[in-house]
Amino acid sequence: GNSVTQMEGPVTLSEEAFLTINCTYTATGYPSLFWYVQYPGEGLQLLLKATKADDKGSNKGFEATYRKETTSFHLEKGSVQVSDSAVYFCALVKGAQKLVFGQGTRLTINP
Amino acid sequence: GAVVSQHPSWVICKSGTSVKIECRSLDFQATTMFWYRQFPKQSLMLMATSNEGSKATYEQGVEKDKFLINHASLTLSTLTVTSAHPEDSSFYICSVRAVRTGDSYEQYFGPGTRLTVT
Repeated sequence: GNSVTQMEGPVTLSEEAFLTINCTYTATGYPSLFWYVQYPGEGLQLLLKATKADDKGSNKGFEATYRKETTSFHLEKGSVQVSDSAVYFCALVKGAQKLVFGQGTRLTINP
Repeated sequence: GAVVSQHPSWVICKSGTSVKIECRSLDFQATTMFWYRQFPKQSLMLMATSNEGSKATYEQGVEKDKFLINHASLTLSTLTVTSAHPEDSSFYICSVRAVRTGDSYEQYFGPGTRLTVT
């Protein structure tokens, strides 16, 4: 079945550092890929998405590129802020099937 | 994207009582909604798929008689936790299956409801 694997957290960085959170997936065909962010005590917000190979999703300085050859969708940001501290979930969906989540990566940014 | 609300945002109830949680799609008519449960520092666990006008589809291991789901309109789904016990304490999140992009559907999530059973 479909699955998503994220890098283990927690991840702690200093403000203005470069961020990468790895995400790889297993699925047949071409699923749509998403990154969601969850701030403390809140639901999930869609951060960015990509629906086909080589698509780049971007939002709020975050980027992720849909790499079919490596089945990856790594999240990157060039300069993180304290306000980026949250839990990040990589996810995929294929057609009308269920959304499949990774285990989440907790990110803490120190000033 | 779709705007989803949940009510209440948090609730405390006594063991043995029932609690109803509402999920509303404010700007989108949703034929399909989902209910998730999240334990501290864990990912979301899908409990059930709520289909407007028909019975919900429950995931394996989720008690349908304990977690009653009603999706009576295109904008409202409710989850009722019946005879709640402390082990039902959790963060419950709903989502709406919304825009179709490419070959797949996006989901938009509500802000969650924190249930504490004493």
